[in-house]
Amino acid sequence: DTGVSQDPRHKITKRGQNVTFRCDPISEHNRLYWYRQTLGQGPEFLTYFQNEAQLEKSRLLSDRFSAERPKGSFSTLEIQRTEQGDSAMYLCASVSLAGLNNEQFFGPGTRLTVL
Amino acid sequence: SQKIEQNSEALNIQEGKTATLTCNYTNYSPAYLQWYRQDPGRGPVFLLLIRENEKEKRKERLKVTFDTTLKQSLFHITASQPADSATYLCALEGGGFKTIFGAGTRLFVKA
Repeated sequence: DTGVSQDPRHKITKRGQNVTFRCDPISEHNRLYWYRQTLGQGPEFLTYFQNEAQLEKSRLLSDRFSAERPKGSFSTLEIQRTEQGDSAMYLCASVSLAGLNNEQFFGPGTRLTVL
Repeated sequence: SQKIEQNSEALNIQEGKTATLTCNYTNYSPAYLQWYRQDPGRGPVFLLLIRENEKEKRKERLKVTFDTTLKQSLFHITASQPADSATYLCALEGGGFKTIFGAGTRLFVKA
């Protein structure tokens, strides 16, 4: 257990529905990342926050994806009008700015299946 | 465009041997490179970071090299054990704290 939690762990939804995932990072970590990972691939960067500010969003991400980190603590990732191609593992990671290695602590992920 | 390549084929080795994994990159000038381990169904776990001005870094049975001229990092596990079987990911800082991961190499260590 890295100290980063994600909820839910699994989500099955029908195409066209909206889904929201939550990530609770390690409490003193300032930076929070969201990634998407499909089978046989590495984590694909989606977006990241420094405290409550969203500093970068992948150009590959469609407007159906939105993320928030309202108080600089937990974060949510919402996918609107889900498509079958959204089926993947969604990973959250947090980083302490005081760390020497920019080590990312990953949560267990949320596995999304879009039917 | 920026690209990271890791051995796409799985690496099978005998217990006790040294496993060597490769990470090549193009169109990057990263300040550092990281290696992570990922087990099935779990998030990656950080192993080592090596900076652009470092040639080699060691941690217990792990050794990482970084050649910015060749644009390549090598990751070695000495005296490998079946418990080392996992997928190993290299990751580069892609500018502005954005991290880019390779696809990973699966390692199988046979007893």
